[in-house]
Formats: sequence, structure tokens, C-alpha cells
Amino acid sequence: DQQVKQNSPSLSVQEGRISILNCDYTNSMFDYFLWYKKYPAEGPTFLISISSIKDKNEDGRFTVFLNKSAKHLSLHIVPSQPGDSAVYFCAASAHQGAQKLVFGQGTRLTINP
Amino acid sequence: DVKVTQSSRYLVKRTGEKVFLECVQDMDHENMFWYRQDPGLGLRLIYFSYDVKMKEKGDIPEGYSVSREKKERFSLILESASTNQTSMYLCASSLTQGSGYTFGSGTRLTVV
Repeated sequence: DQQVKQNSPSLSVQEGRISILNCDYTNSMFDYFLWYKKYPAEGPTFLISISSIKDKNEDGRFTVFLNKSAKHLSLHIVPSQPGDSAVYFCAASAHQGAQKLVFGQGTRLTINP
Repeated sequence: DVKVTQSSRYLVKRTGEKVFLECVQDMDHENMFWYRQDPGLGLRLIYFSYDVKMKEKGDIPEGYSVSREKKERFSLILESASTNQTSMYLCASSLTQGSGYTFGSGTRLTVV
């Protein structure tokens, strides 16, 4: 039972354009959402997060949008750069204690020059 | 910078061997986690710990155990390695929900 789903295994975007990565979740108890970025042979690195009390959070070129009614979140990267090519994981948590995260399957983003 | 260090980048073990994967963090984080990453499945939680000597099962604990004798160290143990445990293993730690996890670089384990 996949509680966090990233339905696009891969995405290809031209340099300078907007990249939009999508994520859906099923557990209405999730109250905190994060995006991680992973390069090959490295661990994931934290990118940006959003609490369920917000619908948008922005950090430089990265913006995360949360639509609680649709149980959907998206990550926008604009403008996209070659260094953004990586696998992106969406994650969600429902507990304050151990902050156990549930991850999606990941989307491989490729930025073409 | 917070560092999470996994002792091995690559390991090759034989079926039936007992395997130890070590993870150390240097920022006094309470919470530590072990995940495995497989293509098409994302990151799946094996075990986690929110205090010394405390451990909780994650989503796929079968065939694994853990040890947390000191706050900074969280070990994953494969009691009897099998080929379906060939995977990338990722350790992480966290202090608060707002800071997210800090991951180690991962251990690529191959069981032959």
C-alpha cells in the first residue's frame, strides 16, 4: 500500500524552463511534507518542506505547493538548471515524535541544455 | 554541517553471512533511521530509533535487526543475508521535524 505516490518515474525539461514534479498521498493524517534530491552514489539531501497549515512555501528557485483537498503536492523549479538533474523524492509524515517519513518512489529529472 | 557517516560505501557478502552496517552521526540527534532504496520502490523504512536502546519496526523489518547502544551510533544487522537483501541502504538522523532528515552517503550491499 503506497501512501505516497510519484506517478512519473522520469521527467525531461529544457534548461531555463520550469520543472514541475508531482506527488499524491492517501493518508489524511499526514501533516508535514518534504522534498529530497538525490544524486547517484550519494544520500538524499533535504530540499524544501511545507506544513499542512500552509499551501505554499518558497525558497529561491524552489516552490512547493500543497493542495490538501486533493491530497496533492508539487515542486516547481524555475528556472531549471543542469545541476538540478537528479532523482527527487517526495516524503510525508504524520507523527511529531519520531518524525517517521514515508517516501514516494522518486522521479528522475533530466535538464537538457 | 551535520554529518551522518556510513562505514562502507560498497559491500559484497555471501548468502547466509551475518552482516553489520554501521552508521554514526555527530550532531546529537535523537532520532535515527535505516532505509533501503530499490528502483521503482523508493525509500522504505526498515527500523528507526528515537532514543538510546529504543527501536521501532518500520515497514519492512523482516530479516533485519538493529542496535543503538550509544546516541550517535545506529547499527543495522542482517542476521542471515539473502540475495533479496541486495540493495542501497541509507541511514538518516533528525533532530526536529522542521529540519528534516540528514542522510548518509549510503551503502551498496550485494549479496551473492
